[in-house]
Amino acid sequence: NAGVTQTPKFQVLKTGQSMTLQCAQDMNHEYMSWYRQDPGMGLRLIHYSVGAGITDQGEVPNGYNVSRSTTEDFPLRLLSAAPSQTSVYFCASRHRQFGYTFGSGTRLTVV
Amino acid sequence: AQRVTQPEKLLSVFKGAPVELKCNYSYSGSPELFWYVQYSRQRLQLLLRHISRESIKGFTADLNKGETSFHLKKPFAQEEDSAMYYCALSGSGGYQKVTFGTGTKLQVIP
Repeated sequence: NAGVTQTPKFQVLKTGQSMTLQCAQDMNHEYMSWYRQDPGMGLRLIHYSVGAGITDQGEVPNGYNVSRSTTEDFPLRLLSAAPSQTSVYFCASRHRQFGYTFGSGTRLTVV
Repeated sequence: AQRVTQPEKLLSVFKGAPVELKCNYSYSGSPELFWYVQYSRQRLQLLLRHISRESIKGFTADLNKGETSFHLKKPFAQEEDSAMYYCALSGSGGYQKVTFGTGTKLQVIP
């Protein structure tokens, strides 16, 4: 039982490049979400999903896309990376009756 | 709109002193409140849910609906308690999005 697995752990992108942050969970959780963590700003919700085929925007969705084709996977796509997207990204999943289980994070730098 | 406020960015206490990390929230319905902890360069971990009313690692938190607060308390701080603490809120009933506060860094001085 691996919990929530995020890849990669570190990534450096050039401005304008695109990439996908991977997130997978093996706990059969319906609810999954992506957050970015920035100093002094806490965690801000980017996108979330309440089940396969259903996604919705959070507080800061611009520049990011998500899809949820399976219960297990919830990838986050950066369409055209910008320096403002330099951050630590956390994926999390949740069972209805419990709090979040978080992934270990992806530290992204856009230069 | 739902909002979580953690007024202190940094809280420094001496080892053995009591700790109180403040959390206030704004939500029009019936909230579900959480505390998460993040040790240095690690993933966030769930510390407490108000529904479970558990005491984890000596920490407790009581939901005060009148004051819209969910402060985290511990009677005697330990050095290993040094970490970032985040208060979080979601609506109850089904899956609701979770909003986090900006976090409080707890520094326990030996």
